[in-house]
Amino acid sequence: DVKVTQSSRYLVKRTGEKVFLECVQDMDHENMFWYRQDPGLGLRLIYFSYDVKMKEKGDIPEGYSVSREKKERFSLILESASTNQTSMYLCASSWGQGKSEQYFGPGTRLTVT
Amino acid sequence: GEDVEQSLFLSVREGDSSVINCTYTDSSSTYLYWYKQEPGAGLQLLTYIFSNMDMKQDQRLTVLLNKKDKHLSLRIADTQTGDSAIYFCAERGGDTGRRALTFGSGTRLQVQP
Repeated sequence: DVKVTQSSRYLVKRTGEKVFLECVQDMDHENMFWYRQDPGLGLRLIYFSYDVKMKEKGDIPEGYSVSREKKERFSLILESASTNQTSMYLCASSWGQGKSEQYFGPGTRLTVT
Repeated sequence: GEDVEQSLFLSVREGDSSVINCTYTDSSSTYLYWYKQEPGAGLQLLTYIFSNMDMKQDQRLTVLLNKKDKHLSLRIADTQTGDSAIYFCAERGGDTGRRALTFGSGTRLQVQP
């Protein structure tokens, strides 16, 4: 079974803190993704990576950065957390070719106070 | 850019059929997906359909694709209370450089006992 794990289920941070969200997949997938999920807005793509050290901006990259030093691990970084970044963050991974269905982690609910 | 739209809410009685609808704008879509999200969990792939098909059946699930109208539907037969969840439609564009999926905002299915 494909497994995508995220470092925390719940996280509470203060405004201005630097926040790291970690994601690990065990299927040797080329692609990894970070989304945020907000009620009524569905999933919005923040960043994705198609190879180690490669990254591309998604639809809403402002205020975020990412790091992919190893194929199995993709980190989302909030350089200076703000209250409007309070959200559910979902990580996903997929193979590079074919139907490319994405496998999701359980999500991290981040609250910034 | 590409867009995927769904109605936000559907309520049915246990034992009835549920039909969740989705429209998309990208005429070059190659694969279309249905994901299910249970409370507090990540997204789980339910089924997918390739764009050259018009129907796919998998146990209680039937996917219908009308490519001309860019309309996708998911029918759940004999809906059970365990089917209560948010259902997301997603599409993968034909642009081979685009590896991410575009998701709809999700339809919350409520099953009344």
